[in-house]
Amino acid sequence: DQQVKQNSPSLSVQEGRISILNCDYTNSMFDYFLWYKKYPAEGPTFLISISSIKDKNEDGRFTVFLNKSAKHLSLHIVPSQPGDSAVYFCAASARVNDMRFGAGTRLTVKP
Amino acid sequence: DTGVSQDPRHKITKRGQNVTFRCDPISEHNRLYWYRQTLGQGPEFLTYFQNEAQLEKSRLLSDRFSAERPKGSFSTLEIQRTEQGDSAMYLCASSLTGHEQYFGPGTRLTVT
Repeated sequence: DQQVKQNSPSLSVQEGRISILNCDYTNSMFDYFLWYKKYPAEGPTFLISISSIKDKNEDGRFTVFLNKSAKHLSLHIVPSQPGDSAVYFCAASARVNDMRFGAGTRLTVKP
Repeated sequence: DTGVSQDPRHKITKRGQNVTFRCDPISEHNRLYWYRQTLGQGPEFLTYFQNEAQLEKSRLLSDRFSAERPKGSFSTLEIQRTEQGDSAMYLCASSLTGHEQYFGPGTRLTVT
Protein backbone atom coordinates (compact mmCIF):
# COMPACT_ATOMS: atom_id res chain seq x y z
CA ASP A 1 0.00 0.00 0.00
CA GLN A 2 1.35 3.34 -1.10
CA GLN A 3 0.91 5.53 1.97
CA VAL A 4 3.18 8.27 0.63
CA LYS A 5 2.65 9.44 -2.93
CA GLN A 6 4.63 11.72 -5.18
CA ASN A 7 2.42 12.04 -8.23
CA SER A 8 4.87 13.97 -10.40
CA PRO A 9 7.70 11.74 -11.58
CA SER A 10 9.58 14.72 -13.00
CA LEU A 11 9.78 18.49 -12.83
CA SER A 12 11.81 20.93 -14.91
CA VAL A 13 12.45 24.55 -13.89
CA GLN A 14 14.66 27.40 -15.00
CA GLU A 15 17.65 28.41 -12.89
CA GLY A 16 16.71 31.17 -10.45
CA ARG A 17 13.02 30.28 -10.39
CA ILE A 18 11.12 28.45 -7.67
CA SER A 19 10.87 24.65 -7.62
CA ILE A 20 7.83 23.19 -5.88
CA LEU A 21 7.78 19.47 -5.19
CA ASN A 22 4.59 17.93 -3.86
CA CYS A 23 3.80 14.93 -1.70
CA ASP A 24 0.50 13.45 -0.46
CA TYR A 25 -0.01 10.91 2.29
CA THR A 26 -2.90 8.76 3.41
CA ASN A 27 -1.99 7.71 6.95
CA SER A 28 -3.28 10.27 9.45
CA MET A 29 -0.98 8.78 12.08
CA PHE A 30 2.12 10.14 10.35
CA ASP A 31 3.63 12.81 12.58
CA TYR A 32 7.05 13.46 11.12
CA PHE A 33 7.92 14.25 7.54
CA LEU A 34 11.23 14.47 5.71
CA TRP A 35 12.65 15.29 2.31
CA TYR A 36 15.69 13.51 0.92
CA LYS A 37 17.73 14.32 -2.16
CA LYS A 38 19.45 11.63 -4.20
CA TYR A 39 22.16 11.97 -6.82
CA PRO A 40 22.98 9.07 -9.17
CA ALA A 41 25.19 6.38 -7.60
CA GLU A 42 24.75 7.86 -4.12
CA GLY A 43 22.42 7.12 -1.24
CA PRO A 44 19.64 9.55 -0.30
CA THR A 45 20.83 12.64 1.59
CA PHE A 46 18.68 14.15 4.32
CA LEU A 47 17.53 17.63 3.34
CA ILE A 48 14.88 19.00 5.69
CA SER A 49 12.18 17.76 8.04
CA ILE A 50 9.03 18.95 9.76
CA SER A 51 7.06 17.76 12.75
CA SER A 52 3.27 17.62 12.58
CA ILE A 53 3.03 20.33 15.25
CA LYS A 54 4.38 22.83 12.71
CA ASP A 55 3.14 23.94 9.32
CA LYS A 56 6.39 25.39 7.98
CA ASN A 57 10.10 24.82 8.37
CA GLU A 58 12.77 26.79 6.57
CA ASP A 59 16.46 26.12 6.01
CA GLY A 60 18.20 28.50 3.66
CA ARG A 61 16.79 28.07 0.16
CA PHE A 62 14.62 25.13 1.24
CA THR A 63 11.20 25.43 2.88
CA VAL A 64 8.82 22.60 3.69
CA PHE A 65 5.11 23.29 4.13
CA LEU A 66 2.72 20.88 5.82
CA ASN A 67 -1.06 20.95 5.39
CA LYS A 68 -2.39 18.33 7.77
CA SER A 69 -6.03 18.74 6.83
CA ALA A 70 -5.19 18.04 3.19
CA LYS A 71 -2.54 15.43 4.08
CA HIS A 72 -0.17 17.27 1.82
CA LEU A 73 3.34 18.59 2.07
CA SER A 74 5.51 20.46 -0.33
CA LEU A 75 9.15 21.42 -0.69
CA HIS A 76 9.98 24.84 -2.09
CA ILE A 77 13.45 25.56 -3.41
CA VAL A 78 14.15 29.19 -4.18
CA PRO A 79 16.14 30.22 -6.07
CA SER A 80 16.71 26.92 -7.88
CA GLN A 81 20.26 26.13 -8.95
CA PRO A 82 21.57 23.57 -11.47
CA GLY A 83 23.20 21.68 -8.58
CA ASP A 84 19.73 21.04 -7.19
CA SER A 85 19.05 18.66 -10.09
CA ALA A 86 18.45 15.29 -8.41
CA VAL A 87 15.68 12.91 -7.38
CA TYR A 88 13.76 14.14 -4.35
CA PHE A 89 12.03 11.69 -2.02
CA CYS A 90 9.32 12.56 0.44
CA ALA A 91 9.19 10.38 3.58
CA ALA A 92 6.86 10.12 6.55
CA SER A 93 6.78 8.24 9.83
CA ALA A 94 4.05 7.40 12.33
CA ARG A 95 6.55 6.34 14.92
CA VAL A 96 10.26 6.50 15.23
CA ASN A 97 12.05 3.94 13.07
CA ASP A 98 9.11 3.34 10.69
CA MET A 99 9.70 5.57 7.68
CA ARG A 100 7.76 5.30 4.43
CA PHE A 101 9.03 6.83 1.21
CA GLY A 102 7.35 8.13 -1.90
CA ALA A 103 8.54 7.04 -5.33
CA GLY A 104 10.49 10.25 -5.92
CA THR A 105 10.37 13.26 -8.25
CA ARG A 106 13.24 13.96 -10.62
CA LEU A 107 14.02 17.69 -10.59
CA THR A 108 15.95 19.22 -13.47
CA VAL A 109 17.11 22.81 -13.12
CA LYS A 110 18.09 24.27 -16.47
CA PRO A 111 20.79 26.96 -16.65
CA ASP B 1 34.46 12.18 6.88
CA THR B 2 32.80 9.38 8.85
CA GLY B 3 29.54 8.89 7.00
CA VAL B 4 27.80 5.58 6.47
CA SER B 5 29.83 3.22 4.30
CA GLN B 6 28.73 0.06 2.49
CA ASP B 7 30.68 -2.73 0.91
CA PRO B 8 30.66 -3.88 -1.83
CA ARG B 9 29.18 -1.13 -4.00
CA HIS B 10 28.23 -3.62 -6.70
CA LYS B 11 27.65 -7.36 -6.64
CA ILE B 12 26.79 -9.63 -9.54
CA THR B 13 25.86 -13.17 -8.61
CA LYS B 14 24.22 -16.18 -10.15
CA ARG B 15 20.79 -17.31 -9.06
CA GLY B 16 21.02 -19.68 -6.11
CA GLN B 17 24.23 -18.26 -4.69
CA ASN B 18 24.51 -16.61 -1.27
CA VAL B 19 25.64 -12.99 -0.91
CA THR B 20 26.60 -10.88 2.10
CA PHE B 21 26.72 -7.10 2.34
CA ARG B 22 28.35 -4.99 5.03
CA CYS B 23 27.36 -1.63 6.47
CA ASP B 24 29.44 0.58 8.76
CA PRO B 25 27.25 3.25 10.37
CA ILE B 26 28.22 6.66 11.67
CA SER B 27 30.16 5.80 14.81
CA GLU B 28 27.95 7.47 17.42
CA HIS B 29 24.67 6.24 15.89
CA ASN B 30 23.07 3.37 17.81
CA ARG B 31 20.24 2.82 15.32
CA LEU B 32 20.85 1.04 12.02
CA TYR B 33 18.42 0.30 9.18
CA TRP B 34 18.41 -1.75 6.00
CA TYR B 35 16.27 -0.76 3.02
CA ARG B 36 15.76 -2.10 -0.48
CA GLN B 37 15.17 0.15 -3.46
CA THR B 38 14.05 -0.94 -6.91
CA LEU B 39 13.95 1.18 -10.05
CA GLY B 40 11.40 3.96 -9.94
CA GLN B 41 10.54 3.39 -6.29
CA GLY B 42 11.56 4.86 -2.99
CA PRO B 43 13.46 2.87 -0.38
CA GLU B 44 11.44 0.12 1.34
CA PHE B 45 12.17 -0.75 4.97
CA LEU B 46 13.64 -4.21 5.62
CA THR B 47 14.91 -4.27 9.19
CA TYR B 48 16.07 -2.15 12.12
CA PHE B 49 18.65 -2.57 14.88
CA GLN B 50 19.08 -0.63 18.06
CA ASN B 51 22.59 -1.39 19.22
CA GLU B 52 22.95 -5.16 18.64
CA ALA B 53 19.25 -5.98 19.00
CA GLN B 54 17.18 -6.52 15.86
CA LEU B 55 13.93 -4.89 16.88
CA GLU B 56 11.88 -4.89 13.70
CA LYS B 57 11.66 -6.87 10.49
CA SER B 58 9.48 -6.12 7.50
CA ARG B 59 7.36 -8.81 5.90
CA LEU B 60 9.49 -8.09 2.83
CA LEU B 61 12.32 -9.86 4.68
CA SER B 62 11.76 -13.48 3.70
CA ASP B 63 13.41 -16.45 5.43
CA ARG B 64 16.24 -16.24 2.90
CA PHE B 65 17.29 -12.89 4.35
CA SER B 66 19.16 -12.51 7.61
CA ALA B 67 20.80 -9.52 9.21
CA GLU B 68 23.14 -9.20 12.14
CA ARG B 69 24.80 -6.42 14.06
CA PRO B 70 27.33 -8.00 16.39
CA LYS B 71 28.52 -5.73 19.19
CA GLY B 72 26.25 -2.97 17.96
CA SER B 73 28.74 -1.64 15.42
CA PHE B 74 28.79 -2.76 11.77
CA SER B 75 25.97 -4.82 10.30
CA THR B 76 25.73 -7.54 7.67
CA LEU B 77 22.82 -8.48 5.45
CA GLU B 78 22.92 -11.97 3.95
CA ILE B 79 20.68 -13.27 1.20
CA GLN B 80 20.68 -17.03 0.73
CA ARG B 81 19.71 -18.80 -2.50
CA THR B 82 19.39 -15.55 -4.40
CA GLU B 83 16.56 -15.10 -6.90
CA GLN B 84 16.31 -12.70 -9.83
CA GLY B 85 13.68 -10.76 -7.89
CA ASP B 86 16.32 -9.93 -5.30
CA SER B 87 18.06 -7.64 -7.80
CA ALA B 88 17.88 -4.17 -6.27
CA MET B 89 19.85 -1.49 -4.47
CA TYR B 90 20.33 -2.36 -0.80
CA LEU B 91 20.70 0.74 1.34
CA CYS B 92 21.90 1.03 4.90
CA ALA B 93 21.13 4.03 7.11
CA SER B 94 22.00 5.03 10.65
CA SER B 95 20.46 7.46 13.08
CA LEU B 96 20.86 8.93 16.53
CA THR B 97 17.25 10.02 17.02
CA GLY B 98 15.37 7.59 14.80
CA HIS B 99 13.88 10.41 12.75
CA GLU B 100 16.65 11.78 10.54
CA GLN B 101 18.36 8.79 9.00
CA TYR B 102 21.66 9.07 7.16
CA PHE B 103 22.15 6.74 4.24
CA GLY B 104 25.18 5.02 2.79
CA PRO B 105 25.85 4.83 -0.96
CA GLY B 106 24.16 1.44 -1.27
CA THR B 107 25.09 -1.96 -2.69
CA ARG B 108 23.66 -2.71 -6.11
CA LEU B 109 22.87 -6.42 -6.44
CA THR B 110 22.34 -8.04 -9.82
CA VAL B 111 21.21 -11.67 -9.86
CA THR B 112 21.69 -13.34 -13.24
